[in-house]
Amino acid sequence: QVHLVQSGAEVKKPGASVKVSCKASGYRFSVHHIHWVRQVPGQGLEWMGRTNPSGESTTFAQKFQGRVAMPTDTSTSTFYMDLSSLTSDDTAVYYCAREDKLGTIDVWGQGTLVTVSS
Amino acid sequence: SYELTQPPSVSVSPGQTARITCSGDALTNQYAYWYQQKPGQAPLLMIYTDNERPSGIPERFSGSNSGTTVTLTISGVQAEDEADYYCLSTDSSGTSFVFGSGTKVTVL
Repeated sequence: QVHLVQSGAEVKKPGASVKVSCKASGYRFSVHHIHWVRQVPGQGLEWMGRTNPSGESTTFAQKFQGRVAMPTDTSTSTFYMDLSSLTSDDTAVYYCAREDKLGTIDVWGQGTLVTVSS
Repeated sequence: SYELTQPPSVSVSPGQTARITCSGDALTNQYAYWYQQKPGQAPLLMIYTDNERPSGIPERFSGSNSGTTVTLTISGVQAEDEADYYCLSTDSSGTSFVFGSGTKVTVL
């Protein structure tokens, strides 16, 4: 069974960076892209970007370009989302989600709450 | 930047039909996907590639595409269908993904 298990909640100060992990299991890691999506409390879903399993091919939403990275660790089947220069507007639940062979985002992680507060 | 437009809310009585629209210029040549999200939960895929239903999703959920508008239809709405619903698609290049603004479905 496909599982994406994310790291735990984080509290960060403005200006800091955060790294959220997403460990994949139950499928062939090297085949499927991973997307990152965030949700500010009380608001809608926001697509942040997408990476292939090696981390060598990424596409980011224009809004996050320059302060987001999506590295991967193929040895542990883990994806990461790095977001820098945090502000209170970045307080949100961050989700990783798998893209299947047909391009459908089908399986989601449980979400990671990142709180940015001084 | 590209946007997908959804109505903020839809209210429906149990057993009736709810229709949620999602509009965007690129929907004429890009697939749409629909997700259900209940409070405190991750989104759940309900419809993919405009009108296909994943296994385990009830038959009362269906999707359609009529050019620049796609529609999620819930036939015979049940109380458990009360949730937020989001459409997802890509811009005309197919590389940048966008979510609709979301529609809150209330079962009266």
